[in-house]
Amino acid sequence: AQSVTQPDIHITVSEGASLELRCNYSYGATPYLFWYVQSPGQGLQLLLKYFSGDTLVQGIKGFEAEFKRSQSSFNLRKPSVHWSDAAEYFCAVGARSGNTPLVFGKGTRLSVIA
Amino acid sequence: GAVVSQHPSWVICKSGTSVKIECRSLDFQATTMFWYRQFPKQSLMLMATSNEGSKATYEQGVEKDKFLINHASLTLSTLTVTSAHPEDSSFYICSARGDWQPQHFGDGTRLSIL
Repeated sequence: AQSVTQPDIHITVSEGASLELRCNYSYGATPYLFWYVQSPGQGLQLLLKYFSGDTLVQGIKGFEAEFKRSQSSFNLRKPSVHWSDAAEYFCAVGARSGNTPLVFGKGTRLSVIA
Repeated sequence: GAVVSQHPSWVICKSGTSVKIECRSLDFQATTMFWYRQFPKQSLMLMATSNEGSKATYEQGVEKDKFLINHASLTLSTLTVTSAHPEDSSFYICSARGDWQPQHFGDGTRLSIL
């Protein structure tokens, strides 16, 4: 069965510190992998996605993620967090074709302190 | 890039009324559309999948008579919450996908039933 695990429900980091949000997935085939960010009351914003090729993917707002097939992981990183990064982050996995929907993790809430 | 437009973004109505939410793909043909529901501080929960011209496939536990989904064209899907009650208050997000395209998400609709 397809599933996404985000082990950390809530993470607090200091502004300027580095960040890593964990994501592990279970999928039968080679998946598409995504990271979304959601601010309170807002929709989803795509940060980055992995389809194929270079396993280190660069996204918007200074985020990057690395696909590690051997670990079934797609962790999100940022070298220096800004206060505006406080939000909910969702990892998702999906098929490369067909009509199956994305499967989302439960999300990680990021708080940023001064 | 591809854009999905969801309307309205926020609706408040009295208990017992029906509410229609529209989801349009603006620059691609959406062969499949998905409707998600999101409760506060939770992840997205898939409600149903609809293919153009076919009946929607509902997830277990989702009342098809309560949440009517129509996908009559390749660019438009609607979700109608019939006889809405306060427990139907939630954030509803649509998503559209074309052939060999990843899912694109609307900005969501906040539904408040008084």
